[in-house]
Amino acid sequence: SYVLTQSPSVSVAPGQTARITCGGNNIGSKSVHWYQQKPGQAPLLVVHDDSARPSGIPERFSGSNSGNTATLTITRVEAGDEADYFCHVWHTSRDSVFGTGTKVTVL
Amino acid sequence: EVQLVESGGTLIQPGGSLRLSCAASDFSVGSNYMSWVRQAPGQGLEWLAIIAPGGYTNYPELMMGRFTISRDNSENTLSLQMNTLAAVDTAIYYCVGMLTVRTFDYWGQGALVTVSS
Repeated sequence: SYVLTQSPSVSVAPGQTARITCGGNNIGSKSVHWYQQKPGQAPLLVVHDDSARPSGIPERFSGSNSGNTATLTITRVEAGDEADYFCHVWHTSRDSVFGTGTKVTVL
Repeated sequence: EVQLVESGGTLIQPGGSLRLSCAASDFSVGSNYMSWVRQAPGQGLEWLAIIAPGGYTNYPELMMGRFTISRDNSENTLSLQMNTLAAVDTAIYYCVGMLTVRTFDYWGQGALVTVSS
C-alpha cells in the first residue's frame, strides 16, 4: 500500500506562512488533494489536483507537487486556519490514500 | 447548497451488521461519483468505498466482501452495508460527494458507529 507521510505538527504566528509537506514515493507523478479539518467538523477540500482551489477557498491557500514531496502553503495565516490538514492521492483505483495529517497551530 | 446527511450510526455489538444511509440535497447521487470515508477517534481518514455514475463499485482490498456501497437514484440516497463489525470499525463514517473521480468535494456531518459489547 502507498504511504503518505506528514509532519505531525506545524506552528506559525499570525500573518506568517505555513508550509505543510506530504511525502510519498514519486508523489510528483500523482494528483494531490488537500483537506482541512477543524475540531468537530467534517473535512473540507482546500486544494485539488496539486494546486487548484475550489470555489470559496481563499487565495492564501496554494499547493505544489514535485518529486517525492507535495506542499500546501498557507500565506498570511489567520487564527481560523488552525486545523488538521490531510493530503490525499489515488494511488490506484483501489488505493485511495490519505496522509497521516498535520496539526497547524496558530501561535 | 449541497447537503449530505448521514443516518444509522449507533452502538452495535461485535459481529453485528449495520446499514448507514446518506440523503443528498442539491447533488445527484446517481449522476456523480460517491464515496464513504471513515475516521476512527483521534485518527486519520480512511477511504472505504466508491460508486460510479454507471454503477461500478470499488473498495480497498481490506474492505472487500465486508462492506457494500449502493444507492437509490429515485430517493437520491447512498448506503453502506457493513457486516461482521469489530471494535476497530468504531469511527465516524462520512458520506462524500465527488465532482470528479479524484476529489472528495462534499462531506456530510458524519455518523458515529461504535462497536462494543
